[in-house]
Amino acid sequence: QKEVEQNSGPLSVPEGAIASLNCTYSDRGSQSFFWYRQYSGKSPELIMSIYSNGDKEDGRFTAQLNKASQYVSLLIRDSQPSDSATYLCASADGGYQKVTFGIGTKLQVIP
Amino acid sequence: DADVTQTPRNRITKTGKRIMLECSQTKGHDRMYWYRQDPGLGLRLIYYSFDVKDINKGEISDGYSVSRQAQAKFSLSLESAIPNQTALYFCATSPGPTDTQYFGPGTRLTVL
Repeated sequence: QKEVEQNSGPLSVPEGAIASLNCTYSDRGSQSFFWYRQYSGKSPELIMSIYSNGDKEDGRFTAQLNKASQYVSLLIRDSQPSDSATYLCASADGGYQKVTFGIGTKLQVIP
Repeated sequence: DADVTQTPRNRITKTGKRIMLECSQTKGHDRMYWYRQDPGLGLRLIYYSFDVKDINKGEISDGYSVSRQAQAKFSLSLESAIPNQTALYFCATSPGPTDTQYFGPGTRLTVL
């Protein structure tokens, strides 16, 4: 069974700090990786996608991928209270037949 | 208007009833998905469809069926609802391989 594992949290960080969210995946055939943000009671929305090893930056967000270690992370710089949400890590197989989601990490940014 | 819509948004029903959840999209995507989300279990795939004639079971399809009436419409049915089908249900679409998924607002279903 293909799995994506995340610590459910909550992860608490003070406002202005860097939040580090981590994820591991079991399927070595995974080619595409995604981070979604989900506010309570709302639908997931894409934050970042990453397809190759290394870092990808978009504003305050940086996604990191290490395929050898089967590890994906999301860094949020200058965390804001509005970043408080659950962050879902997801992977898609090489044929992108379907996406596997982790259970999500709840992030709390303390003012 | 929202690109992916779901109806109803909330539904309370009784054990044994048949219920249909509907999803419509205006994004023009071929791929559509149905997920359920439960606390502590994350998003789990129920069914997915890559076009009108291509429908596939996901990891938890037992007790569910689907219909892809058109490129834009994908319905999920519970033939005989049971309490452990109480969950938040999401429809999603994507344009194709390596692309993100776009989620509808969700349907909160309660089976008593």
